[in-house]
Amino acid sequence: DIQLTQSPSSLSASVGDRVTITCRPSQSISSSLNWYQQKPGKAPNLLIYAASNLQSGVPSRFSGSGSGTGFTLTISSLQPEDFATYYCQQSHNTPWTFGQGTKVEIK
Amino acid sequence: EVQLVESGGGLVKPGQSLKLSCTTSGFNFGDYAMSWFRQAPGKGLEWVGFIRSTALGGTTEYAASVKGRFTISRDDSRSIAHLQMNSLKTDDSAVYYCSRVGGISMIIIQYYYVDYWGHGTLVTVSS
Repeated sequence: DIQLTQSPSSLSASVGDRVTITCRPSQSISSSLNWYQQKPGKAPNLLIYAASNLQSGVPSRFSGSGSGTGFTLTISSLQPEDFATYYCQQSHNTPWTFGQGTKVEIK
Repeated sequence: EVQLVESGGGLVKPGQSLKLSCTTSGFNFGDYAMSWFRQAPGKGLEWVGFIRSTALGGTTEYAASVKGRFTISRDDSRSIAHLQMNSLKTDDSAVYYCSRVGGISMIIIQYYYVDYWGHGTLVTVSS
């Protein structure tokens, strides 16, 4: 199985901050990496697919980059509604796997 | 508007069975693979399995933790996906999410992602 190591596991940031979350697969996965945002009690919401493609309706302050064994999700200017948990997920091979999540909290 | 609505969750005892349904609307159900995920209370997301579109054979893939106990099926005529769960264990307790699998082709490679999720249904396995 492909393990995804996400870091940090949590972070505290202020509105307006630039935030970066990384995801490192245990083996190369080309660009088969997706990012989701999840708020408490809600289903996940797709932000980025295939490493760098912004899902329709997602604000442009979210961006993704990387390929192979290193990926990054960046929020260019953190907004109040962005405080949530973020997960990376690989669809390169089954079983599909997720990172352990990054909880973004208010500083 | 794409909608996915899960139903069938509840409280069952270990060893018992439960069948979840995912009723969909707003898209051509037969064109898409459908996947199930789960999330135990306070834990991360876990993939359960998926079923390919009927055009691609309607075949299924499962996580090792549920293989042989869970079965995903689809009824394209009613735009519904099902998750049959047998021999349930306490570790199966979670919110179960139904989802639609999207995909794009880039330079002959197909990339998959989950673009729509249901609201989830809670399954509790306890004696």
